[in-house]
Amino acid sequence: DTAVSQTPKYLVTQMGNDKSIKCEQNLGHDTMYWYKQDSKKFLKIMFSYNNKELIINETVPNRFSPKSPDKAHLNLHINSLELGDSAVYFCASSQWGTNTGELFFGEGSRLTVL
Amino acid sequence: TQLLEQSPQFLSIQEGENLTVYCNSSSVFSSLQWYRQEPGEGPVLLVTVVTGGEVKKLKRLTFQFGDARKDSSLHITAAQPGDTGLYLCAGDNNDMRFGAGTRLTVKP
Repeated sequence: DTAVSQTPKYLVTQMGNDKSIKCEQNLGHDTMYWYKQDSKKFLKIMFSYNNKELIINETVPNRFSPKSPDKAHLNLHINSLELGDSAVYFCASSQWGTNTGELFFGEGSRLTVL
Repeated sequence: TQLLEQSPQFLSIQEGENLTVYCNSSSVFSSLQWYRQEPGEGPVLLVTVVTGGEVKKLKRLTFQFGDARKDSSLHITAAQPGDTGLYLCAGDNNDMRFGAGTRLTVKP
């Protein structure tokens, strides 16, 4: 069973479109994240949710809107896509307050904006 | 400016060689983690170091956390092609921030 699963794995779309990426974790974790990895492989945190509440919101355009319907799901909706949004988006989860705070990542969703 | 600086950015070596990669910061971290990422996959945790001066060994990999908890190193002995990947360090400062990574290629 996949611990953190994201869909779709690949997404190719035109500028100006709206798209969503879904994420689900079956680890029972209470914290979920979205990271963006650019072409230089720099992994940057975008959002973090703990028990469905937003706790980290980095300087991300408001075209990006995360939604957490429950602890096991964190979806990312992107409006008016731009060329610079092309990247691999990783969902991750962890258990808040543990000593190690290990992040479990999904396989990533590669978004290409044409 | 990145919170964590990793060096070198790229490293290409022959099988059997030893190597060390570094992760440096001016910030103090409560813990620091090393991840390895392979193409088409998400990062996977290798180790977490918590105590200043701590050394952890994972087979041929040796991880060290600096005394001041601001830096860390990863040493690989007798590298193998299977060690090829992107090595990322991440510091815990109420949230997990990643360095830009070291891309290691081990040639057979």
